Amino acid sequence: GENVEQHPSTLSVQEGDSAVIKCTYSDSASNYFPWYKQELGKRPQLIIDIRSNVGEKKDQRIAVTLNKTAKHFSLHITETQPEDSAVYFCAASSGGSNYKLTFGKGTLLTVNP
Amino acid sequence: GAVVSQHPSRVICKSGTSVKIECRSLDFQATTMFWYRQFPKQSLMLMATSNEGSKATYEQGVEKDKFLINHASLTLSTLTVTSAHPEDSSFYICSAPRGGAEYFGAGTRLSVL
Repeated sequence: GENVEQHPSTLSVQEGDSAVIKCTYSDSASNYFPWYKQELGKRPQLIIDIRSNVGEKKDQRIAVTLNKTAKHFSLHITETQPEDSAVYFCAASSGGSNYKLTFGKGTLLTVNP
Repeated sequence: GAVVSQHPSRVICKSGTSVKIECRSLDFQATTMFWYRQFPKQSLMLMATSNEGSKATYEQGVEKDKFLINHASLTLSTLTVTSAHPEDSSFYICSAPRGGAEYFGAGTRLSVL
């Protein structure tokens, strides 16, 4: 089955700096890669996703890049703000009839004012 | 706003009792829903895929007789934790796919005394 590795497990940045979280996946059939933000005790919120037919996607301060050859994808947050502090999860899925998300272990991002 | 509703948000029960958790898709039909379990400071682990009108598909290591899933309609899936014990205490979250993405319920924190 799919295996998703996520790094780093914790990340601390100063407000205004950029944050980068990286994930690798094992199943070359995976074609959908969402990123979720989860605040303590809350539901995971989809913040951005990318499909295998594109290499990069951007939404304001958030961007995701995908390298299918290397089987890794990354989340980039620019101009970080204290409210960006949360746990971020990457995930991968192969879609189709066997669709299911496999999650990385998460990254605790702390943005210091 | 939320597209997936989950109830209850918190349950405290005695050991040996059964607990039912509901997951509803709001304003859309979901022939498939997913049930996850999340331990403190850990990632989301898929327990089972709920299929409307047919049996649920359980992940390896998940006891189907312990975690009963019923997907009786296109907008409702239920997870029943039978004869709950303290080790079943956890955060249970459901999700449903919509428009190619997966959206999560608010989660249910189960505490078994």
